[in-house]
Amino acid sequence: AQKVTQAQTEISVVEKEDVTLDCVYETRDTTYYLFWYKQPPSGELVFLIRRNSFDEQNEISGRYSWNFQKSTSSFNFTITASQVVDSAVYFCALSEPSGGYNKLIFGAGTRLAVHP
Amino acid sequence: EAQVTQNPRYLITVTGKKLTVTCSQNMNHEYMSWYRQDPGLGLRQIYYSMNVEVTDKGDVPEGYKVSRKEKRNFPLILESPSPNQTSLYFCASSLREGLTDTQYFGPGTRLTVL
Repeated sequence: AQKVTQAQTEISVVEKEDVTLDCVYETRDTTYYLFWYKQPPSGELVFLIRRNSFDEQNEISGRYSWNFQKSTSSFNFTITASQVVDSAVYFCALSEPSGGYNKLIFGAGTRLAVHP
Repeated sequence: EAQVTQNPRYLITVTGKKLTVTCSQNMNHEYMSWYRQDPGLGLRQIYYSMNVEVTDKGDVPEGYKVSRKEKRNFPLILESPSPNQTSLYFCASSLREGLTDTQYFGPGTRLTVL
């Protein structure tokens, strides 16, 4: 069965620290997709990244980077030089192509608090 | 501006009083979904729709109904709300891109059932 585990419920850091949010997934499919979403205090869900199972290349976008490792079924998210505006709940999600529609399986989320 | 809108954003109601949460998207997306978010559980899919008049159950459909009469709208109906349906609800829409799609979410509706 598909499952996404975000073992870190809450993380607290001081501004400018680097922080890594862990995501471990389970799937029996060879084709699947992984996502990260950000939920700031205002409540909306903001799409950050999508990765497919055939592309293990790490991705960097400004202060954000993602490390995808199929060998450990992990898709970790690192924020470099964190800022107060990074304070949010971050969700990792998994989808598998099935039945013509991709359902998102979400982890429980990690609440990140960045203090000045 | 491309967006998914939901109304109302906040709702407090009483057990058994039928309610509808509307969802509309202006991106001409085929796929739409409803999710509920509960602490410690992340988001779970309630219902989804692959196109007009095509809907199907997600993981937690009990107590909910949906309809898709027009491509842009996907209302969520609670015929007889109960306190365990107190939650944060999100509507999402997406367009298929090859084998997958990226879902874009509305702003959320916080529902309290007393």
